[in-house]
Amino acid sequence: AQSVTQLDSQVPVFEEAPVELRCNYSSSVSVYLFWYVQYPNQGLQLLLKYLSGSTLVKGINGFEAEFNKSQTSFHLRKPSVHISDTAEYFCAVSDRDSSYKLIFGSGTRLLVRP
Amino acid sequence: DGGITQSPKYLFRKEGQNVTLSCEQNLNHDAMYWYRQDPGQGLRLIYYSQIVNDFQKGDIAEGYSVSREKKESFPLTVTSAQKNPTAFYLCASSIQGTGSQETQYFGPGTRLLVL
Repeated sequence: AQSVTQLDSQVPVFEEAPVELRCNYSSSVSVYLFWYVQYPNQGLQLLLKYLSGSTLVKGINGFEAEFNKSQTSFHLRKPSVHISDTAEYFCAVSDRDSSYKLIFGSGTRLLVRP
Repeated sequence: DGGITQSPKYLFRKEGQNVTLSCEQNLNHDAMYWYRQDPGQGLRLIYYSQIVNDFQKGDIAEGYSVSREKKESFPLTVTSAQKNPTAFYLCASSIQGTGSQETQYFGPGTRLLVL
């Protein structure tokens, strides 16, 4: 069964520094990949998604992610973070076997310090 | 303004009590979902519905029940059988719920606390 690993539970970073949030998934069958952001006490908002085509996906708020099939990874990056990027970030995967189902990672809390 | 609404924002449950969480969407989406979120964990699927009058259990359905009498509404009842109900509950919807590539759109959530 598909699983998603977000190894870093928390990533502290200074404002204007670059950041990378890591995401690895278990199965290499045809997958669809998503990154969601959650601000405190709110629902999830889609940042970006990979369905097919170019492996570099650009999303909202200056975020981008790269799909790497050989490493089964979909890491999220931003070249310069802002205080307002402080939030929880979730990677999610769905595949041919799970149909509509989204499998979520445990989340990474990005803490941006001034 | 289209979207998903959940109410209430906070809900308190007494022991042995059933409580119902509301989820409404005006996006004209066929599929709706309920997730549970616990600290330090990802979201876990409780129930989902791909069409009116039909729903299926997710990964952690025990102690919960749902109904789907209208396309726009998917209420979740947390029954007294759910022994550890304290969590953040998120409702989501997607256009059809039949494709792996579909984006799910989330409501603002309801935080359930046990008195």
